[in-house]
Amino acid sequence: NAGVTQTPKFQVLKTGQSMTLQCAQDMNHEYMSWYRQDPGMGLRLIHYSVGAGITDQGEVPNGYNVSRSTTEDFPLRLLSAAPSQTSVYFCASGGPGQGNGYTFGSGTRLTVV
Amino acid sequence: AQSVSQHNHHVILSEAASLELGCNYSYGGTVNLFWYVQYPGQHLQLLLKYFSGDPLVKGIKGFEAEFIKSKFSFNLRKPSVQWSDTAEYFCAVNERSNFNKFYFGSGTKLNVKP
Repeated sequence: NAGVTQTPKFQVLKTGQSMTLQCAQDMNHEYMSWYRQDPGMGLRLIHYSVGAGITDQGEVPNGYNVSRSTTEDFPLRLLSAAPSQTSVYFCASGGPGQGNGYTFGSGTRLTVV
Repeated sequence: AQSVSQHNHHVILSEAASLELGCNYSYGGTVNLFWYVQYPGQHLQLLLKYFSGDPLVKGIKGFEAEFIKSKFSFNLRKPSVQWSDTAEYFCAVNERSNFNKFYFGSGTKLNVKP
């Protein structure tokens, strides 16, 4: 089925390690975003992209990098993991236009010890 | 920056009770409004959205929401809840001029007792 695919589903990192969370969509959506979900805080936007080669920062970008070399893929990189980055990460995609809201992936639960 | 407030953090209802979850936002410009639902262990799914037109919008599973511009509100309602409605509900807003920047409320956990 078409949708947003995130890998891995679970990950445990040690402080200081780096890793990449993968996100791919096969709906030809122009917009893609990364959110983190923490208890009692809803979802907060980390980075977003309006198309291949174009990215911008959201509310909480520090400690994360993104790139968008293709329409389909939008990986999120943690440069040096910290316990404060323990969270559930959701990738979302949307478009063209504003008509359909966003489609969310199933999430990656990341624990940094 | 925008903010979205969901005043009810945790709601407990019995089956067949009526539901109303509050959502208020702060932004002076034109916005799109959304309600998402997250069932336990799952990702967010779109319940309904408002872009323009009739301020009373109907979504999936019998949910509806009313946009009241003067009150900056977009409350979610359902006349009769079911046990399967147990989930967390998120209100979200984005600026019409910047579709990518969604602002989410902190969520309301709904427990429906069978």
